[in-house]
Amino acid sequence: AQSVTQPDIHITVSEGASLELRCNYSYGATPYLFWYVQSPGQGLQLLLKYFSGDTLVQGIKGFEAEFKRSQSSFNLRKPSVHWSDAAEYFCAVGLGSNTGKLIFGQGTTLQVKP
Amino acid sequence: KAGVTQTPRYLIKTRGQQVTLSCSPISGHRSVSWYQQTPGQGLQFLFEYFSETQRNKGNFPGRFSGRQFSNSRSEMNVSTLELGDSALYLCASSLGQVANTQYFGPGTRLTVL
Repeated sequence: AQSVTQPDIHITVSEGASLELRCNYSYGATPYLFWYVQSPGQGLQLLLKYFSGDTLVQGIKGFEAEFKRSQSSFNLRKPSVHWSDAAEYFCAVGLGSNTGKLIFGQGTTLQVKP
Repeated sequence: KAGVTQTPRYLIKTRGQQVTLSCSPISGHRSVSWYQQTPGQGLQFLFEYFSETQRNKGNFPGRFSGRQFSNSRSEMNVSTLELGDSALYLCASSLGQVANTQYFGPGTRLTVL
C-alpha cells in the first residue's frame, strides 16, 4: 500500500540555521511528490512538486527538495530559516497521472527560535 | 485568479444533525477533492469529483457524500453527525489532467457537540 512517512514530528531550529525535513514514501510506480506548508488555521500552500526530470526542485520561499529514488526519499531543505517559516509541513505523494488523490505524511511541526 | 474558496469557514453542529459544506474551485479547474484533517488521523482523502462524476473515494462511511455541479463547484454532506466528525475539512482543486497539482482552500472547521 502507498504510504508517506515523515519521521520527525517536531523540529526546532534557530533563525538563520539550515533546515532539512525528511520524507520517505512507499509507492510502486514513479511517484508525483509534493511538499505543502500549513500555518495555524489555514489551508495548505504548495511549496514545490516533483513530477519528473531534474531531481532537485526549487520552490517558493527559498525551499528546495531532492528526489532520491534509491532511498525513496524527498527531503525538503532551506539554507537559512526565517521566523516566518514556523508552520507545519506535509509531504505528499500523488497516486497517478489521472487522479487528484494525495497520500499525506503525518506532518512535521517546525518551531523557529530567535 | 481567485483561489479555492470554502464556505462556511466555521460550523458548530450537534450529534445527529447533518451538514453541507461548499467548495468553489479555481476557475477552469474541473477536479475537486475533499480531505478531512484531524490531530489523530492527519490528512485523509474523502473523495474526488471530476466533471460531475466521483472519480475516487477514500475509506469513509456512507454518511459522507458529495457531489459536483456543472460549474465544477462541489458540496460535501455529512449525515447523522458524530463527535468524531469534528475536523478541518479541506477542499482542493486541480485541472484534473496528467500530473495534477492540487490547490487547497482555507478549509471549513466543523465542531460537533
